[in-house]
Amino acid sequence: DVKVTQSSRYLVKRTGEKVFLECVQDMDHENMFWYRQDPGLGLRLIYFSYDVKMKEKGDIPEGYSVSREKKERFSLILESASTNQTSMYLCASSLEESGAMNTEAFFGQGTRLTVV
Amino acid sequence: KNQVEQSPQSLIILEGKNCTLQCNYTVSPFSNLRWYKQDTGRGPVSLTIMTFSENTKSNGRYTATLDADTKQSSLHITASQLSDSASYICVVSALRGGGADGLTFGKGTHLIIQP
Repeated sequence: DVKVTQSSRYLVKRTGEKVFLECVQDMDHENMFWYRQDPGLGLRLIYFSYDVKMKEKGDIPEGYSVSREKKERFSLILESASTNQTSMYLCASSLEESGAMNTEAFFGQGTRLTVV
Repeated sequence: KNQVEQSPQSLIILEGKNCTLQCNYTVSPFSNLRWYKQDTGRGPVSLTIMTFSENTKSNGRYTATLDADTKQSSLHITASQLSDSASYICVVSALRGGGADGLTFGKGTHLIIQP
């Protein structure tokens, strides 16, 4: 059974703090992703990674960075948290199967971050 | 631009009733379409996957349909239960590896089942 685990369910941080959101998957997936989910906007891709030490910007990378030092771990970093980064953050992972018709993205349980 | 539109945005029905959620997409080239269920405060969980050649697929009380010609999908829930209260998200994958970078998400339908 695939498991994607996010380090925190709820997090409250102050404006200007550096914030680390951690995500670990246990199925040896190549692909890992960070999304944020806001009411009325759905899920939006922040960053993704195809392999260790590789990262690609998603649709809304501004204000975020990522780190993938090990295959199973993908970290999202808010260098200087701001109130507009208050959101639900979802990590996901999937196998890299080029041309595959049914690759599934498995999601973590989410981290609700509040920046005050 | 790839887009996924879901309707209705929200829906309230009585326990035991049936309902149908809609998803229209303009994703190309099409790879597959998934319906996810997201309980409040949780991550999404896949319910069904539809590929190009499939018209109907069932998962218990959930039945998904796909019309690749009109680019429409529906999720029908039969004999609703209180535990069906959740957001239902339609996700369409473009044919470029199937990884989540090729995914286009709908904004979801928020379903509330009332006793």
